[in-house]
Amino acid sequence: KAGVTQTPRYLIKTRGQQVTLSCSPISGHRSVSWYQQTPGQGLQFLFEYFSETQRNKGNFPGRFSGRQFSNSRSEMNVSTLELGDSALYLCASSPDPSGLSEQFFGPGTRLTVL
Amino acid sequence: TQLLEQSPQFLSIQEGENLTVYCNSSSVFSSLQWYRQEPGEGPVLLVTVVTGGEVKKLKRLTFQFGDARKDSSLHITAAQPGDTGLYLCAGVTNNQGGKLIFGQGTELSVKP
Repeated sequence: KAGVTQTPRYLIKTRGQQVTLSCSPISGHRSVSWYQQTPGQGLQFLFEYFSETQRNKGNFPGRFSGRQFSNSRSEMNVSTLELGDSALYLCASSPDPSGLSEQFFGPGTRLTVL
Repeated sequence: TQLLEQSPQFLSIQEGENLTVYCNSSSVFSSLQWYRQEPGEGPVLLVTVVTGGEVKKLKRLTFQFGDARKDSSLHITAAQPGDTGLYLCAGVTNNQGGKLIFGQGTELSVKP
């Protein structure tokens, strides 16, 4: 069974630009969660989607948004990028909502904002 | 303030030594998970504990969930260089809407 895939793996953007990251969950998994990982803050929860509906949201500004498609693939978008948005963005999938079952993480997208 | 406090944040030891990593909170968790993350990869689940006082063993790794379900520990016996990585605890608590909350992680380096 293929694991969670994230594209792109690396991305360099400048302040003010926007970016879209993509996540393909494990086949059959309907829950996708997104996290931001930085050395100072660790893993911070962004949001979770389950069956195309946002189930949970973390404490991030409205510049961070996401969506999930009918095939469970998910995208997250960050608009008006700031230097502080530089981080590793991780996506995780699970068969059920994240609190109920194991989450399987992708390798992440390393975003650098210049 | 972190909901889950991990300690120590950094640990550098010699091969063969034992170590313990702690994960503490003032909140009660319905379950707690431990993950290990290597550079360039996402975290990989090691274990889930759900019952207060529960102890689980995974080869040289021993995981314990506190009786009150507010804390957990990971003990590694006779550490090996292959144990090097970032260890993360994560928990689900009802007052966070069922979200999985992560600790800041413990960066472990085991030198041969």
